Amino acid sequence: KAGVTQTPRYLIKTRGQQVTLSCSPISGHRSVSWYQQTPGQGLQFLFEYFSETQRNKGNFPGRFSGRQFSNSRSEMNVSTLELGDSALYLCASNPGQGNEQFFGPGTRLTVL
Amino acid sequence: DQQVKQNSPSLSVQEGRISILNCDYTNSMFDYFLWYKKYPAEGPTFLISISSIKDKNEDGRFTVFLNKSAKHLSLHIVPSQPGDSAVYFCAASRGYSGSARQLTFGSGTQLTVLP
Repeated sequence: KAGVTQTPRYLIKTRGQQVTLSCSPISGHRSVSWYQQTPGQGLQFLFEYFSETQRNKGNFPGRFSGRQFSNSRSEMNVSTLELGDSALYLCASNPGQGNEQFFGPGTRLTVL
Repeated sequence: DQQVKQNSPSLSVQEGRISILNCDYTNSMFDYFLWYKKYPAEGPTFLISISSIKDKNEDGRFTVFLNKSAKHLSLHIVPSQPGDSAVYFCAASRGYSGSARQLTFGSGTQLTVLP
């Protein structure tokens, strides 16, 4: 079974721009969660989608948004990028039962 | 407020010996705990988990112990191998199967296994 895939793997943007990251979960998994990893704050939960609905949201500003499609693929969008948004963005999938989440390799976003 | 804490940023162990990684939590609503291993430039890899109704779970060289009264869990790796060198994250979640799930992570412990 293929794992979680994320595209692109690396991205460089400038302040004020917006960015869209993509995640394809493990086949059959209906839940997709997004996390941000930074050296200062560690791994922090952004949001979770299940059956195209946002089920849970972390403590991030409204500039961070996401969506999920009918095939369970998910995208997250960050608008009006700030320098502090530079991070590794990780997507995780879960079959919808149980608590184990399986992570993709991440997208490294650098904001200049 | 850090709800999941890993107080040791690093740990060095000789190959073949036991590695013990510790984790404390403050939120008594957490009922499921997980350990992940992470190499640089990769996503975390799930290692082992434990439900709050248990106090021990084993999987090969990895054993997780949970002490609910102390709000403490530990990961034991026996025997330690150089390939185990990585950052280990403790994570916690709450809720039942089928409900929204969110992992709260500790800050990680860098384990180095010396040959």
